[in-house]
Amino acid sequence: DAGVTQSPTHLIKTRGQHVTLRCSPISGHKSVSWYQQVLGQGPQFIFQYYEKEERGRGNFPDRFSARQFPNYSSELNVNALLLGDSALYLCASSILQGSGNTIYFGEGSWLTVV
Amino acid sequence: KQEVTQIPAALSVPEGENLVLNCSFTDSAIYNLQWFRQDPGKGLTSLLLIQSSQREQTSGRLNASLDKSSGRSTLYIAASQPGDSATYLCAVRPLSNFGNEKLTFGTGTRLTIIP
Repeated sequence: DAGVTQSPTHLIKTRGQHVTLRCSPISGHKSVSWYQQVLGQGPQFIFQYYEKEERGRGNFPDRFSARQFPNYSSELNVNALLLGDSALYLCASSILQGSGNTIYFGEGSWLTVV
Repeated sequence: KQEVTQIPAALSVPEGENLVLNCSFTDSAIYNLQWFRQDPGKGLTSLLLIQSSQREQTSGRLNASLDKSSGRSTLYIAASQPGDSATYLCAVRPLSNFGNEKLTFGTGTRLTIIP
């Protein structure tokens, strides 16, 4: 079975632009989370969605938004990009919210803002 | 606020040695703790998940322990191999986050196995 898949793998954007990152969870997984990992640091939680509803939000500005689709795939949108948004964006999925189960991560999308 | 610390930040050991990676967290009210491996420029690979009611989990050459009361976890790697070289991250899921699956990560230990 395919793992968590993310696209694009790498992209370069200019300050002020908008970016959309996409994620497909493992088949059967209904929970999707997004994390930002700046070089040399651990991942920071951005959002979690379960059954198309937002279930958690980290300490990120309103420029960051996300949604989950009926097939459980998800998009992360970032508006008005800043240089500091340059990071690895990780998507994670799990089979069921609240069951203390293993969370699986994708390979990430590398975003460079110039 | 939950904080997760991993010391040392980097570790180099000769091939074949057994080693221990450390993870500490400030709030013992957790659902579980998960260890991940991250290769350079890549995503996270889940290694072991320990529920709060468990003391340890094993997978092959890896053994993870959890002492919730003292806020500590260790990842033991037996007979290290060059392929084990990577950054190892621990993450806790706090009980206060019931209703969501937010993980709080440490900054990781970068492990280098010297052939």
